[in-house]
Amino acid sequence: DAKTTQPNSMESNEEEPVHLPCNHSTISGTDYIHWYRQLPSQGPEYVIHGLTSNVNNRMASLAIAEDRKSSTLILHRATLRDAAVYYCILSLYNQGGKLIFGQGTELSVKP
Amino acid sequence: DGGITQSPKYLFRKEGQNVTLSCEQNLNHDAMYWYRQDPGQGLRLIYYSQIVNDFQKGDIAEGYSVSREKKESFPLTVTSAQKNPTAFYLCASSAGPSSGANVLTFGAGSRLTVL
Repeated sequence: DAKTTQPNSMESNEEEPVHLPCNHSTISGTDYIHWYRQLPSQGPEYVIHGLTSNVNNRMASLAIAEDRKSSTLILHRATLRDAAVYYCILSLYNQGGKLIFGQGTELSVKP
Repeated sequence: DGGITQSPKYLFRKEGQNVTLSCEQNLNHDAMYWYRQDPGQGLRLIYYSQIVNDFQKGDIAEGYSVSREKKESFPLTVTSAQKNPTAFYLCASSAGPSSGANVLTFGAGSRLTVL
């Protein structure tokens, strides 16, 4: 299965931008890139997704490399409520859209 | 409001007992999924269903069973054959791969503890 690689943890200061990297070198041309985040003892929450072009929504931005082998989730101004585990995952088109989660990046935000 | 409801939120089971976790959605989604999460770990896919009366095994299906008799419901049974069932179980749904991106909506989870 296509895998993603993320750093185990990152730290940020409140109100500063955060760039969360993800490598997905085995991505196929029809696989979407998804980001979700999870607070302790809660279900994951959808953040953003993209295919080839960069994407923006009210929560974050997604920057996708031209070769699609990596992407970066950008939180423009981190708040304490953004502290969570962030998962970068692929929706595998050739496997019925199956989504395989990795370990994720635990983001801590310092006041 | 549309969403996914999982019940119970907490469940205790004795060894050797089967237990069924409920998952109901009112999002009119075609696809539904069950994931398992162990402490400090990511989510692992147990079973998924893209349409009523059909489902496929995920990466860790052994010791689990599911049914999909209605579009809204996808219950998971943890059988006595599951060697280490204590975990946090998450149900999700999506419009399905035909929607393109297949974005998932998750329930709040069910925490199963085997005594």
